[in-house]
Amino acid sequence: GEDVEQSLFLSVREGDSSVINCTYTDSSSTYLYWYKQEPGAGLQLLTYIFSNMDMKQDQRLTVLLNKKDKHLSLRIADTQTGDSAIYFCAADTGRRALTFGSGTRLQVQP
Amino acid sequence: DTEVTQTPKHLVMGMTNKKSLKCEQHMGHRAMYWYKQKAKKPPELMFVYSYEKLSINESVPSRFSPECPNSSLLNLHLHALQPEDSALYLCASSQDRGGKNIQYFGAGTRLSVL
Repeated sequence: GEDVEQSLFLSVREGDSSVINCTYTDSSSTYLYWYKQEPGAGLQLLTYIFSNMDMKQDQRLTVLLNKKDKHLSLRIADTQTGDSAIYFCAADTGRRALTFGSGTRLQVQP
Repeated sequence: DTEVTQTPKHLVMGMTNKKSLKCEQHMGHRAMYWYKQKAKKPPELMFVYSYEKLSINESVPSRFSPECPNSSLLNLHLHALQPEDSALYLCASSQDRGGKNIQYFGAGTRLSVL
């Protein structure tokens, strides 16, 4: 089955850019997603990318996809303290299920 | 509106209790999901309903019993749970169309089993 991996922790200073990385194993995944989870809350969809695209930009968020290397990244420009959260990447398994990475905890220092 | 509403927000139950978790969406989505999330872990899929029929059961113990009374509602009936079942239970829904499976999540029910 699909396996999705992420680094566990990232610390940045307010105003810097954050880059969260993710790798996946199933090359047939058609869509890849980024979700944000704040403490005690559910998952908030941030953005997604179709597998035939290599970049998608949405305001402060930029998603890069390297399909050959099965590598996905999320860049947050001008990171704010409100961006502190856990970020999950997820891959579509093709059976209406998503496989989530382990989550990257982003800590933004003032 | 991309809202999925879950009730209750918190639930404490004993191992002999019977309780239910509820989930509601009014986005016209035809797929609904239950996930279980332990602390510091990603969500794990439990069940998927598509067009009100159970399509995926990820080998979940029978003490968890899902129900989809109509396309807007999803319940999870709980009976004889164990302390290790304490977790955040998340409901999600999606349009389930054209290969795009954008799932919208509720805020979850935090369950404690004593």
